[in-house]
Amino acid sequence: GQNIDQPTEMTATEGAIVQINCTYQTSGFNGLFWYQQHAGEAPTFLSYNVLDGLEEKGRFSSFLSRSKGYSYLLLKELQMKDSASYLCAVLDSNYQLIWGAGTKLIIKP
Amino acid sequence: SAVISQKPSRDICQRGTSLTIQCQVDSQVTMMFWYRQQPGQSLTLIATANQGSEATYESGFVIDKFPISRPNLTFSTLTVSNMSPEDSSIYLCSGSGPGDSYEQYFGPGTRLTVT
Repeated sequence: GQNIDQPTEMTATEGAIVQINCTYQTSGFNGLFWYQQHAGEAPTFLSYNVLDGLEEKGRFSSFLSRSKGYSYLLLKELQMKDSASYLCAVLDSNYQLIWGAGTKLIIKP
Repeated sequence: SAVISQKPSRDICQRGTSLTIQCQVDSQVTMMFWYRQQPGQSLTLIATANQGSEATYESGFVIDKFPISRPNLTFSTLTVSNMSPEDSSIYLCSGSGPGDSYEQYFGPGTRLTVT
């Protein structure tokens, strides 16, 4: 079966750094997405990784290791507005997105 | 990136009735999808809306319960038929493309409560 694992909830302090991990086992791999979803709102695209390595985009970075079936989203200089759920999703061999359950990130002052 | 609108944004419906949700994209997208999301949970794909043909449904979802139309590249509807309280959820429309771009853009969602 297809499986994506993320921690259910994480807590971090404003100004700090947090790393949200995602491990996956899917039938094929055509890329990995990270989305941010604030409570009561729709998911918004953060990043897409298809090759191994680190992609940096401002305060957010995403890393991928295809051999390990592993990705992480790194958030730096945390702000209160970063409190949200972060969804990991893998594009499988049929180009269908398989979604993780999401990680709820709580930022404390 | 595509901008996606949905209506209604929310509705309260009685058991046994049906509700049709509309999804409009501001530009052409290759694929359109319908998801369901329970509060605090992740996304569950209901079906892929195919232009001019029948939608492709995921396991556990059937056309009689969730008929879907997609008459053109920028518009789709999802009907939740013969509703029960278990259908209470947020329904999200998304689109990807054009071409081989697989990033999905989401509408704001429709919050449905069935009493």
